[in-house]
Amino acid sequence: GIQVEQSPPDLILQEGANSTLRCNFSDSVNNLQWFHQNPWGQLINLFYIPSGTKQNGRLSATTVATERYSLLYISSSQTTDSGVYFCAVESADSSYKLIFGSGTRLLVRP
Amino acid sequence: DTGVSQNPRHKITKRGQNVTFRCDPISEHNRLYWYRQTLGQGPEFLTYFQNEAQLEKSRLLSDRFSAERPKGSFSTLEIQRTEQGDSAMYLCASSYAGTGLSEQYFGPGTRLTVT
Repeated sequence: GIQVEQSPPDLILQEGANSTLRCNFSDSVNNLQWFHQNPWGQLINLFYIPSGTKQNGRLSATTVATERYSLLYISSSQTTDSGVYFCAVESADSSYKLIFGSGTRLLVRP
Repeated sequence: DTGVSQNPRHKITKRGQNVTFRCDPISEHNRLYWYRQTLGQGPEFLTYFQNEAQLEKSRLLSDRFSAERPKGSFSTLEIQRTEQGDSAMYLCASSYAGTGLSEQYFGPGTRLTVT
């Protein structure tokens, strides 16, 4: 089945810094989503981005489907950005389930 | 517009007991998914429904697990004869199939602890 790898696994930033999180996937996808999991376990939708570039405030994401990767950019990080960021893909094999990476654990220090 | 809701939020049970979780999807969504997440890992797919039909089950879903979605609305996930290895966060998600977009939205999860 499709493999999803995220990097880096852990990231520590000083408040105000910028960061880039990467998601590589091993096969064609119909859907790619980025999530932020808060300390209570809730998965919060950040982007639905099977291809192209989207921006939402300080966050933006780019997926290059032909090269099988996606990037999540966080600018001017805040302590509330801390948590785990997951990339999840829906394989193009007509299965609708999401396959998740193992996440990037981000800690933003004040 | 309410999101996906799950009940209970927490469940502590003794090994060997049966437990049942409920998920209420976003009202216009016709697909409903169950995932399981253990500590330090990403969520793993268990099963999904389109309307009332259960269309796919993961090999993670042993015969002690059963899921239903009567009338294509809410869903229940039952675990029989719980084991300590069943301790995890159980997440429900829903999406709308029909426009080509299939963005999934997740509920807050049910955290199960088997003692």
